[in-house]
Amino acid sequence: QSALTQPPSASGSPGQSVAISCTGTSRDVGGYNYVSWYQQHPGKAPKLMIYEVTKRPSGVPDRFSGSKSGNTASLTVSGLQAEDEADYYCSSYAGSNSYVFGTGTQVTVL
Amino acid sequence: DVQLVESGGGLVQTGGSLRLSCTASGFSFSIYWMHWVRQGPGKGLVWVSRINGDGNIISYAESVKGRFTVSRDNAKSTLYLQMSSLRAEDTAVYYCARSDTRDYWGQGTLVTVSS
Repeated sequence: QSALTQPPSASGSPGQSVAISCTGTSRDVGGYNYVSWYQQHPGKAPKLMIYEVTKRPSGVPDRFSGSKSGNTASLTVSGLQAEDEADYYCSSYAGSNSYVFGTGTQVTVL
Repeated sequence: DVQLVESGGGLVQTGGSLRLSCTASGFSFSIYWMHWVRQGPGKGLVWVSRINGDGNIISYAESVKGRFTVSRDNAKSTLYLQMSSLRAEDTAVYYCARSDTRDYWGQGTLVTVSS
């Protein structure tokens, strides 16, 4: 199972928006509505930000939103804040009881 | 509060074995699917394994199939990962996570495989 493809980096100024793509295939991202997104600060465990493509766990700011079109999912962070600077990973169910993560995107707040 | 605490990591020789544990608290452990995810030094997250609440539906990533065994003891609220025939590329921080959405994660335990 190959990792989902994410851009290595993304950046934006405080208050701006940044979108991160996550490209897979019809056997993972395109085949199921089970895409989730995780935020990871250096030296910390990942934190769930979005699940089932668009759903936000309680406590996650509504500045974070998810979407999907075909084989590509996206995470958008609106109104960027300094604390949003982190690595972000997508993940998808890939059939046959397996899962796959994305390659990760480092978000920098300029 | 939901808590997951991994333990059992350490330095092991190539070809050796190690058993990781993940002790859960603050929720009904037995009804949740549980996952193991690893992260090599400076690298991304990689899904390793998944087990259902009863322990009878199990799956693995191809890279660990036949070498790693996941299990659980619901009476002890503990998840395990038995790792054998370890390779240098298995060096990573190993995280346990709750549910198929992986809504809660432990702090991770470091496994270093070296000759």
